[in-house]
Amino acid sequence: EAGVAQSPRYKIIEKRQSVAFWCNPISGHATLYWYQQILGQGPKLLIQFQNNGVVDDSQLPKDRFSAERLKGVDSTLKIQPAKLEDSAVYLCASSSTGVYQETQYFGPGTRLLVL
Amino acid sequence: AQSVAQPEDQVNVAEGNPLTVKCTYSVSGNPYLFWYVQYPNRGLQFLLKYITGDNLVKGSYGFEAEFNKSQTSFHLKKPSALVSDSALYFCAVRDMGHTDKLIFGTGTRLQVFP
Repeated sequence: EAGVAQSPRYKIIEKRQSVAFWCNPISGHATLYWYQQILGQGPKLLIQFQNNGVVDDSQLPKDRFSAERLKGVDSTLKIQPAKLEDSAVYLCASSSTGVYQETQYFGPGTRLLVL
Repeated sequence: AQSVAQPEDQVNVAEGNPLTVKCTYSVSGNPYLFWYVQYPNRGLQFLLKYITGDNLVKGSYGFEAEFNKSQTSFHLKKPSALVSDSALYFCAVRDMGHTDKLIFGTGTRLQVFP
C-alpha cells in the first residue's frame, strides 16, 4: 500500500514570499493532519480535516496560513506571506477514521527554509 | 491537558547492548500512547502503540514498550541495539478532546556505537 505522499521535499524562499505544500494521504483515509515541526521540537498540529471538513484549526496562524481539502482527498497548505519563524518541516499525516486508537501515518515532510 | 515528557535529549548505547528510551505521560483518563522514529530527512515512522490490554507492547524492528500506570511511564526498549537504530525517537499521546491529534514529546536522539 502506498504511503502518504508530499511535495515538494525541500523549499527555500525569502521572507514575505508565498509557498504551497501538497499532500496525498493513504487511499481511503478520511482524516488528514498537517503538523509543523520546528528544529529541536516535536511536531505540533496545525490543522485536522475529516473528509473535506475542518475538525481543528485552532493552532493555525490564519493571518498567513491557509489549508484546504476540497474533494476530501488531496490537501494543500499555503503560507502567504512567509516569516523567518516559519522555517520548519511540514508533515502531513492520515488515518483511516480519526478515532483515538487509529494510527496516524506520516509522509516524508517538506522542509521549508525562509531567508 | 494531555502531555508527554522525554527526559533525555540523547541516549548513547553500544551495539548489542539493551536500550531504553524514556517517556512519561500526564493525561486525564486512559491514555493512548505511541512511539515514532524519525531518520534524517525522513518523516515519522510508526513503531508501536498502547491502547489497552497487555502492558508490554511489541512493535516494529524488534522494539517493545512497557506501559506502567503507577509510574505513568511508557518506556521504549530493545534487547539488543543495532547501529541502524540510531535516530530520533518521539513519544506521543492522543488528545482526547474534540480532536484526536497527537501531542508529541521533544524527542530523544539515540546513538548506537559500534
